[in-house]
Amino acid sequence: QKEVEQDPGPLSVPEGAIVSLNCTYSNSAFQYFMWYRQYSRKGPELLMYTYSSGNKEDGRFTAQVDKSSKYISLFIRDSQPSDSATYLCAMSEYGSARQLTFGSGTQLTVLP
Amino acid sequence: DAGVIQSPRHEVTEMGQEVTLRCKPISGHDYLFWYRQTMMRGLELLIYFNNNVPIDDSGMPEDRFSAKMPNASFSTLKIQPSEPRDSAVYFCASRMGGNWGNQPQHFGDGTRLSIL
Repeated sequence: QKEVEQDPGPLSVPEGAIVSLNCTYSNSAFQYFMWYRQYSRKGPELLMYTYSSGNKEDGRFTAQVDKSSKYISLFIRDSQPSDSATYLCAMSEYGSARQLTFGSGTQLTVLP
Repeated sequence: DAGVIQSPRHEVTEMGQEVTLRCKPISGHDYLFWYRQTMMRGLELLIYFNNNVPIDDSGMPEDRFSAKMPNASFSTLKIQPSEPRDSAVYFCASRMGGNWGNQPQHFGDGTRLSIL
């Protein structure tokens, strides 16, 4: 079993829809949770970052962390065709030398 | 503001040849990471450096892979001899020092490697 599980999709939604992307994990030592966005033929870029449990909002994006359930989510409101990309969750332990553990990524297409 | 720069962007070579991938991290970043991305295995950490010193190479698949960081502005990942199963996109990333979680990693655009 992988430490981080992420549904690979693909996920296709109409423009303006609310998108929900999720990851589950098994390592209870994870403290930092990130979402990266990766456009085709580009490197991943950091989208959202949260520490421990709770919510964080940035414009149309909201990240949620539920450490009791070992479950994290990324919500995209009013989705746009420019949001079409692969979304990778990533996690790390505080003070760990292992750095980031990535999910496999969810491919999202927002149709105009 | 230049990001992480990788070269070449694409490499196609025959099995058995030596392959060298190059990375220039963001100036001032203390950490440098090499990743490999495939459809089957996703994004895997191969090795990372702190202040030019290799810290953890447990992700390097086998002795055919080696990485160096001779100075703060340059790193190489070498595969010798290359095999078809090494075909993947290789990413370099860098980040500033500080607490483990609160410094993001910045990725280059990768080298797409095909071994025939």
